[in-house]
Amino acid sequence: SYVLTQPPSVSVAPGQTARITCGGNNIGSKSVHWYQQKPGQAPVLVVYDDSDRPSGIPERFSGSNSGNTATLTISRVEAGDEADYYCQVWDSSSDHRVVFGGGTKLTVL
Amino acid sequence: EVQLVESGGGLVKPGGSLRLSCAASGFTFSSYSMNWVRQAPGKGLEWVSSISSSSSYIYYADSVKGRFTISRDNAKNSLYLQMNSLRAEDTAVYYCAREEPGGICDYWGQGTLVTVSS
Repeated sequence: SYVLTQPPSVSVAPGQTARITCGGNNIGSKSVHWYQQKPGQAPVLVVYDDSDRPSGIPERFSGSNSGNTATLTISRVEAGDEADYYCQVWDSSSDHRVVFGGGTKLTVL
Repeated sequence: EVQLVESGGGLVKPGGSLRLSCAASGFTFSSYSMNWVRQAPGKGLEWVSSISSSSSYIYYADSVKGRFTISRDNAKNSLYLQMNSLRAEDTAVYYCAREEPGGICDYWGQGTLVTVSS
């Protein structure tokens, strides 16, 4: 089945830019979705279809996807952005339809 | 407002069974595929199972295939997960999630905790 690889942790100072990567074989040919999960809460969709934002998600959250790497970029990072972030794809070619990356813990220094 | 509310979690002994429910409201439930996703304590998200809007297509993760059964009742706006032969490694918070085309899980419930322990 398809495998997505994320770094376990990323640290960034407030006001700086955080970039969280998601690696997968030819992931650029798939649509990538990103979720934010804060402790004790359910995941929240923050980016879908590589770079679109659901209503209510700040413009500071953006995404890109090319080749073997998708990236979630959070600009002007705030303390409230500290959370776990998961990438996800839909593998329509297999019986394992929904595939999540292992997650990245974003720490705001 | 879209709402998904899971129930049915609890403490169960290894080898036991449990049935989870997810009550949906605020949208046309019968038009959407649905998913169960779980999260073991301190671990990441793990997809468990998917069911299409009319129950025509059903998929399972290898880790639960043959033990778990996903189903839905569109008349009752409800999603279910029957879990049999439970193991300690099934201990997790179980979320139901609505699926938009392309596998986007756009709405999630608050989760229900399943603990498998003797």
